[in-house]
Amino acid sequence: EADIYQTPRYLVIGTGKKITLECSQTMGHDKMYWYQQDPGMELHLIHYSYGVNSTEKGDLSSESTVSRIRTEHFPLTLESARPSHTSQYLCATRQFHEQYFGPGTRLTVT
Amino acid sequence: AQSVTQLGSHVSVSEGALVLLRCNYSSSVPPYLFWYVQYPNQGLQLLLKYTTGATLVKGINGFEAEFKKSETSFHLTKPSAHMSDAAEYFCAVSGEAAGNKLTFGGGTRVLVKP
Repeated sequence: EADIYQTPRYLVIGTGKKITLECSQTMGHDKMYWYQQDPGMELHLIHYSYGVNSTEKGDLSSESTVSRIRTEHFPLTLESARPSHTSQYLCATRQFHEQYFGPGTRLTVT
Repeated sequence: AQSVTQLGSHVSVSEGALVLLRCNYSSSVPPYLFWYVQYPNQGLQLLLKYTTGATLVKGINGFEAEFKKSETSFHLTKPSAHMSDAAEYFCAVSGEAAGNKLTFGGGTRVLVKP
């Protein structure tokens, strides 16, 4: 079983602020993913990584950026938050055919 | 390309009644199929998965799903609903050719009435 941690769990922040959503995992999985989920809606892949120094954009265009300097860490950054970024962000890892999800960060930009 | 369609964004069932959530997929390669459950303010938890082999798959919490290639379906069932089954359920598909990326359906919210 994978342990995936996301911090903060909830964040309310003003427009224009820079924010970083943290995601870390303890299982050494190479593949990691970021999804964006609006309330009551499906998940959209916004970023993924197949290992250290590997990052790719997902299916949904996003103004966020990611980095993968260490296997266990996959942070997502918004340089200038806007109300349109209000959403839930879910981090996941993958091993073989299973994805494991973190608890999510619910972001509100006012 | 791959896609998933979940019929019904909301399903209401009585406690003790059958739960049936419908999922149809399209995939250009042999699919791997998944059902996830999401409780409020939480991440997704894997209920069950189909990769190869037996087409009837049993998962946690009494759920099962049957892969029907001819119908491109992977419907989720539970014989008797419990109040704790109230949640959002997502069907997802992936394939080796798609780089192991999951494509999710729109989700079905299940309400269980006492």
